[in-house]
Amino acid sequence: QQPVQSPQAVILREGEDAVINCSSSKALYSVHWYRQKHGEAPVFLMILLKGGEQKGHDKISASFNEKKQQSSLYLTASQLSYSGTYFCGTEGSWAAGNKLTFGGGTRVLVKP
Amino acid sequence: NAGVTQTPKFRVLKTGQSMTLLCAQDMNHEYMYWYRQDPGMGLRLIHYSVGEGTTAKGEVPDGYNVSRLKKQNFLLGLESAAPSQTSVYFCASSPGLAGGLKGENIQYFGAGTRLSVL
Repeated sequence: QQPVQSPQAVILREGEDAVINCSSSKALYSVHWYRQKHGEAPVFLMILLKGGEQKGHDKISASFNEKKQQSSLYLTASQLSYSGTYFCGTEGSWAAGNKLTFGGGTRVLVKP
Repeated sequence: NAGVTQTPKFRVLKTGQSMTLLCAQDMNHEYMYWYRQDPGMGLRLIHYSVGEGTTAKGEVPDGYNVSRLKKQNFLLGLESAAPSQTSVYFCASSPGLAGGLKGENIQYFGAGTRLSVL
């Protein structure tokens, strides 16, 4: 079952913050976050594992609430380069195949 | 280091024609995947492979076939293309169970193939 991402779209000014949520109705082993710019391939940002720590990369960080089966991606002091569509991919168990189920995406536009 | 390479980058087919998309990875990854992405939507898994000689169905396998004769290559075939198969196709690979630090089996994507079926 596809995870649900919210919001579907967000417009920011440079320097503003945003939060993107990814919720699943199933128990999760991991949550992967990717960013895709228009016409390009998805690029891996970070992975959150069950029982793991909150992750961060530059001014983008993420958390994983195992009780709620929800992950949140935090864009802090946004830059123009943060524009793109953010996808979460969820994995139900550490089993053969590492199959990810992707959410519908959140479009982020950062304006000067 | 090329990573994941997809060919061709663009293709236009007529309904009923066949074609094969090629994915090649040079990272010695065990697992490989084929996704399709329709406008404004997320990625949907078509087929995947957990090792050379193995394939399995994903979420939307109908109308597609795959083969993994060599570890580094994963082929996606359309036997009789239909307009509903117009999409952007992405290939990805990941280390698998044997690799990946601390269980982090990260997928790496190719640049995509844009396919139009008229």
